[in-house]
Formats: sequence, C-alpha cells, structure tokens
Amino acid sequence: TAGITQAPTSQILAAGRSMTLRCTQDMRHNAMYWYRQDLGLGLRLIHYSNTAGTTGKGEVPDGYSVSRANTDDFPLTLASAVPSQTSVYFCASSDSWTGEADTQYFGPGTRLTVL
Amino acid sequence: GQNIDQPTEMTATEGAIVQINCTYQTSGFNGLFWYQQHAGEAPTFLSYNVLDGLEEKGRFSSFLSRSKGYSYLLLKELQMKDSASYLCAVMDSNYQLIWGAGTKLIIKP
Repeated sequence: TAGITQAPTSQILAAGRSMTLRCTQDMRHNAMYWYRQDLGLGLRLIHYSNTAGTTGKGEVPDGYSVSRANTDDFPLTLASAVPSQTSVYFCASSDSWTGEADTQYFGPGTRLTVL
Repeated sequence: GQNIDQPTEMTATEGAIVQINCTYQTSGFNGLFWYQQHAGEAPTFLSYNVLDGLEEKGRFSSFLSRSKGYSYLLLKELQMKDSASYLCAVMDSNYQLIWGAGTKLIIKP
C-alpha cells in the first residue's frame, strides 16, 4: 500500500503567494496531522484532525489553514507565504488519537522554500 | 511549559551498544514514543512505552520511568544503517505529541 503521500516533494515559492500542500492516506486512519520540522527544533504541530469533518489548531497554526472533507485527504494551505514558513512539512496519520493505536505514520515530506 | 530534552549528537562504534536518553516535563502523560529519522526522510515508529519498565524489540529496547520523567532508547550490535536521528515524543493530557529536537547518532566503523 502507498500509506501516506504528499505533493509536491519540494517547492520554491515567492513571498505573498498562496500554496496548498497535499496529503492523502489510504489506511483509512481517523486522525491526521500537519507538522513542520526546522533545524534544531522538534517537530511542531500546525493543525490536526481527529475525524473527517473536524479540525483543530496545534502549536503553530498562524498563517496556515486546513480542511478535512473526507477521511483520506488533509490539505494544508498557506494563504500568503512568508520567509519564516520555509521548512520541511510532514503530514502524518493515526488510527486513533488516545493511546498506542495513535502511533503516527508519516508521509515523505514537502520541502518548502519561501523567498 | 512543556519540554523534552535529548542530547543533540552522539557517536558510537559499529558493533557496540549506545543509550540515548530523553527527559520530559509535560502537562499530563499518555505514553512516550521513539522514532527513527534518516537524513532527508520521514520519521518512522520504533517503540511505545506507557508503563514503567523495559520494552524489547530485537536490537532496540526502550525504557520508561514515569516518576523520574525519563526514558532511554538502547541500541545493541550497532550497524552503519543505524546512523540516523532518534526522536523522543511524549503524548500530553490533550493527546498531542510533544517532540524533542532529536539526537543525531553517528556510527563509526
């Protein structure tokens, strides 16, 4: 199975432009997450969704939005990109969100550079 | 605030044993995870501890002491492919994962 896919693999974006990072999972997991990973810092949660139709804010949600119209897809949108959003973005999913079953499985990541 | 501490970098020799420590201070505790991340790749799940004690999985073992806010990952019979970053993460009272910055493990022949 493919697991989790993300697109694009990498992108260079001009400041002020908008962009949507795509994430699709085929494991029928209930919960999905978006993280950013910056050098010297741990993974930081941007937004999450415990089930289709619901979303929540993580540690660093400003400048980002998400939607969860169905179980499989969880796109992340940057409305007006800024250089501080240069990062590697990981999408993850888990079967549930309240115990060991919520082991998170990660997509391959999107490397985004905002100039 | 919530905090996860792990050493930034460690070096070990092929065939040897290495212990990577993780200390945490979080609002609540619902389990501790260890992940492995090779350079340029996604994190992959290694282990989960929610009760005190040692969990063994082949060459990898993970230990937890909830009273001390402490865990370690033990890697035995090190192989060159074990060169990677090892991420410690704690699930807090809101069931969100709080991540450490990771420990970069360098294996020398």
